[in-house]
Amino acid sequence: AQSVTQPDIHITVSEGASLELRCNYSYGATPYLFWYVQSPGQGLQLLLKYFSGDTLVQGIKGFEAEFKRSQSSFNLRKPSVHWSDAAEYFCAVGAHNFNKFYFGSGTKLNVKP
Amino acid sequence: GAVVSQHPSWVICKSGTSVKIECRSLDFQATTMFWYRQFPKQSLMLMATSNEGSKATYEQGVEKDKFLINHASLTLSTLTVTSAHPEDSSFYICSAGGVATNEKLFFGSGTQLSVL
Repeated sequence: AQSVTQPDIHITVSEGASLELRCNYSYGATPYLFWYVQSPGQGLQLLLKYFSGDTLVQGIKGFEAEFKRSQSSFNLRKPSVHWSDAAEYFCAVGAHNFNKFYFGSGTKLNVKP
Repeated sequence: GAVVSQHPSWVICKSGTSVKIECRSLDFQATTMFWYRQFPKQSLMLMATSNEGSKATYEQGVEKDKFLINHASLTLSTLTVTSAHPEDSSFYICSAGGVATNEKLFFGSGTQLSVL
């Protein structure tokens, strides 16, 4: 069965520290992969996506993610976190014909001053 | 976690007809629901934000007369695609949250709309 797992419900990091949010998926074929961010009271904003090609994907706001097929993972990273990065982050998997879309349960990021 | 049920999961309709998609929060009260649309090879696009008991807030470029959103209760929001045309064919997904979920969002399973 298809699924997306974000094992960390909450993460707290200090401002300026590095960040890695984990995402593992179970899917029958190579999926399309996405990371979204949701700030309080707002809708989702796309950070980055992977369809094919280079497995290291650069996104907005200094985020990057790496697709590792052997580990079925698509972890999100940022070298230096800013206080404005505090939000909830969702990993998602899409079918190639875009008729199915699976979200992880989200990771809430807190940033300490 | 909380459950959001979206129905139908797949619908085919003729051009000119209207289609209603339901988004229900099964075990919590959702004060806010979001409606998204996805085009192939693109990210989810936020269409509108729906708050219970008030009019939905539509994103720029989304026709509110075409995509009618009703959030009449704390457990149900509906999206009606009026006079659907083939270009409305897309994948629609809702998400819901509220005080009961500490504002955490939960997603429906999506609706694939095909307009012939």
